[in-house]
Amino acid sequence: TQLLEQSPQFLSIQEGENLTVYCNSSSVFSSLQWYRQEPGEGPVLLVTVVTGGEVKKLKRLTFQFGDARKDSSLHITAAQPGDTGLYLCAGVWEYGNKLVFGAGTILRVKS
Amino acid sequence: DAGVTQSPTHLIKTRGQHVTLRCSPISGHKSVSWYQQVLGQGPQFIFQYYEKEERGRGNFPDRFSARQFPNYSSELNVNALLLGDSALYLCASETANTNKLEAFFGQGTRLTVV
Repeated sequence: TQLLEQSPQFLSIQEGENLTVYCNSSSVFSSLQWYRQEPGEGPVLLVTVVTGGEVKKLKRLTFQFGDARKDSSLHITAAQPGDTGLYLCAGVWEYGNKLVFGAGTILRVKS
Repeated sequence: DAGVTQSPTHLIKTRGQHVTLRCSPISGHKSVSWYQQVLGQGPQFIFQYYEKEERGRGNFPDRFSARQFPNYSSELNVNALLLGDSALYLCASETANTNKLEAFFGQGTRLTVV
């Protein structure tokens, strides 16, 4: 059972468009991570957010942690075909010590 | 620069057999976790080991077991394999600071049970 809800499940867009992926839960996280995974490979850590309201930027990617630390978003500006992949959010519950993953968002960027 | 290494990368087993998967964490990392990822889903937590002690166990049957060695490498064992055990098995090498846990994954072992 996935306790983190990601949306949308699948996104197919043209090169140059912007997109946002969401990660939501009813519980509070002590920290939340975003990963990108390509077929047949392990997830690659993109960012970790720990403070409510925190915003982190990684080139064309912007990550935001909700004020209440229950939700997060990933925004990609001017998507490129190289951004194609599975984007996963994973959180550590408050007082927990393990990662819980969402089901992921499959992103396809067409040239 | 040694990241997380897993072996083997691919494996085909028959129902009822057992399998051992291996993982070497990043140098200096003392915590290792195992995850199962089936097609179309996010990774599901199986075990976490820290300093050779089991620190957490997910909702998996007793056919799944693991251990961590003095050099912090780890093995995941699965007995009496079922078709439903076919998945990508991921090992994560973890750092845990006061307020965050970060996991760095290996490339995974693709297990196919026939």
